[in-house]
Amino acid sequence: DTAVSQTPKYLVTQMGNDKSIKCEQNLGHDTMYWYKQDSKKFLKIMFSYNNKELIINETVPNRFSPKSPDKAHLNLHINSLELGDSAVYFCASSQEGEGNSPLHFGNGTRLTVT
Amino acid sequence: QKEVEQDPGPLSVPEGAIVSLNCTYSNSAFQYFMWYRQYSRKGPELLMYTYSSGNKEDGRFTAQVDKSSKYISLFIRDSQPSDSATYLCAINNQGGKLIFGQGTELSVKP
Repeated sequence: DTAVSQTPKYLVTQMGNDKSIKCEQNLGHDTMYWYKQDSKKFLKIMFSYNNKELIINETVPNRFSPKSPDKAHLNLHINSLELGDSAVYFCASSQEGEGNSPLHFGNGTRLTVT
Repeated sequence: QKEVEQDPGPLSVPEGAIVSLNCTYSNSAFQYFMWYRQYSRKGPELLMYTYSSGNKEDGRFTAQVDKSSKYISLFIRDSQPSDSATYLCAINNQGGKLIFGQGTELSVKP
């Protein structure tokens, strides 16, 4: 029974395209996140939502727009994809705010921009 | 200086060895200290979570926090090939955001 699931698992697309990644959690958590992991394994937060409200918005280009239709779902839409967007994107959730309770991660979406 | 520093390795040990993984951090206000394990092509999963100085043990794993030195460690006893993964430390900063170390890639050889 998957706790945090994201789709698609792999995404290969060309520069300039627009794509979306979806995430759902069935843990009943209030907070959801998007993280980006680069080729050197650095994991950096992009956004966090608490009960559908944007809490953290790191210095991420405007081409990235998160949307949370309800507290169990957090999607990520990326416009005008660039080569540098290639990375693994992880969705995560936690019961409380980020530092106060453990994160539960999905298995990632591997995005390749050609 | 990065807020959290972790040697990326790779680290290769024989089965049964004791493994020591370490992170240093710069901000004395950090409060929560976590270790995540990430298998290849998977998301990180929480291994250990502590918010105080000292040791916390869970089976073959021991997390150690030394706030005076701003140093945290994860020890793995009797390491197994199934422990082969990337281990990431994660530390909470003052704003409540988690800062991850780069991760140490560990390989345990049979």
